[in-house]
Amino acid sequence: DTGVSQDPRHKITKRGQNVTFRCDPISEHNRLYWYRQTLGQGPEFLTYFQNEAQLEKSRLLSDRFSAERPKGSFSTLEIQRTEQGDSAMYLCASSPIPGQGVSGANVLTFGAGSRLTVL
Amino acid sequence: AQSVTQPDIHITVSEGASLELRCNYSYGATPYLFWYVQSPGQGLQLLLKYFSGDTLVQGIKGFEAEFKRSQSSFNLRKPSVHWSDAAEYFCAVGPSSGSARQLTFGSGTQLTVLP
Repeated sequence: DTGVSQDPRHKITKRGQNVTFRCDPISEHNRLYWYRQTLGQGPEFLTYFQNEAQLEKSRLLSDRFSAERPKGSFSTLEIQRTEQGDSAMYLCASSPIPGQGVSGANVLTFGAGSRLTVL
Repeated sequence: AQSVTQPDIHITVSEGASLELRCNYSYGATPYLFWYVQSPGQGLQLLLKYFSGDTLVQGIKGFEAEFKRSQSSFNLRKPSVHWSDAAEYFCAVGPSSGSARQLTFGSGTQLTVLP
């Protein structure tokens, strides 16, 4: 397994355009998370999936944001009508379900991120 | 609500010197605590974690951290810093029960290593 993969690594778009990011988690991990990280800040939770079910969403996830994980494997994060304030690094992470061994509880493996610049 | 404070935005040390990065947390119960490192343009890599037991935990790359419940702290240390340690370091706190599903990260400490 090559870890968590994210694509594209960089995206430059004009305000108002739609963008989509893809995340391929570690294959045996049931949980998949999306975080947003702005310059000088730590990652902020956006949403997470357990298998194909989206179980929790942050209030940061406005109506312009949608995430899917249709078959419980890869996930996509789409941002519609992008705004300059959406410029950030979008990080994906995966983890096993807590209870599958204490060492796996809430231990996230992150991808390298997708950096979005909205002009 | 849980929170993490990393008081030092930027720290500069000379190569070979010792390092301590501070982390204070606020959490209502016994927390899970983590330190992650992020190199420029990269995702976060787990350095070490504390769940229970021995309050001094060892991690990768020669790092260690000590959990002090009375001080609500989980400071990261390294006895001798290498130039390759220059990166941003994030402390994070999460629930021990597994019922919540996300971590709260601090705002990070940027480490510069002088030759």
